[in-house]
Amino acid sequence: DIQMTQSPSSLSASVGDRVTITCRASQSISSYLHWYQQKPGRAPNLLIYAASTLQSGVPSRFSGSGSGTDFTLTISSLQPEDFATYYCQQSYSTVFTFGPGTKVDVK
Amino acid sequence: EVQLVESGGGLVKPGGSLRLSCAASGFTFSSYNMNWVRQAPGKGLEWVSSISSSSSYMYYADSVKGRFTISRDNAQNSLYLQMNSLRADDTAVYYCARTYDRKPFDYWGQGTLVTVSS
Repeated sequence: DIQMTQSPSSLSASVGDRVTITCRASQSISSYLHWYQQKPGRAPNLLIYAASTLQSGVPSRFSGSGSGTDFTLTISSLQPEDFATYYCQQSYSTVFTFGPGTKVDVK
Repeated sequence: EVQLVESGGGLVKPGGSLRLSCAASGFTFSSYNMNWVRQAPGKGLEWVSSISSSSSYMYYADSVKGRFTISRDNAQNSLYLQMNSLRADDTAVYYCARTYDRKPFDYWGQGTLVTVSS
């Protein structure tokens, strides 16, 4: 199975900060990489799909990049509603896998 | 509006069985692959199982293979997960989620909690 790792596992930031989260796959997954945001007690919400395409309705401060094995999610200017946990997920294989998550909290 | 509504969760003893359901509406259910994803308390997301639009293909995580069975009824717009030989580490919120081809999970249900405990 394809293993996904994320770094950091958690970070503390302030409103207005630029935040970068990285995701790495154990083998090349082309651009079959997606990012989700999850808040406590809620289902995950799709932010970015195919590594860099913004899901409809998601603010443009979110962006994604990468291909192959290394990917990045960037929040250009952190807003109060962005404090949450972020997961990457690959759909290259028929056995889907998620990264372990990155929790973004208030500094 | 796309809606996915899970049901069937609850408290079950180790070794017991449970059947989860997911009722879909607002889209052509028979055109989409469907999935179950779970999240243990305080933990991350774990994909559990997928089924293709016409039930031709089913896939399972190693952690549930041989114990869980995914199925669907396109006439009833419903997805199911039969869970047997349940263990304490199966305790989680179970979400159903929609995909298409190798695209992401674009819609999720609200989840149903399964607790395995004596």
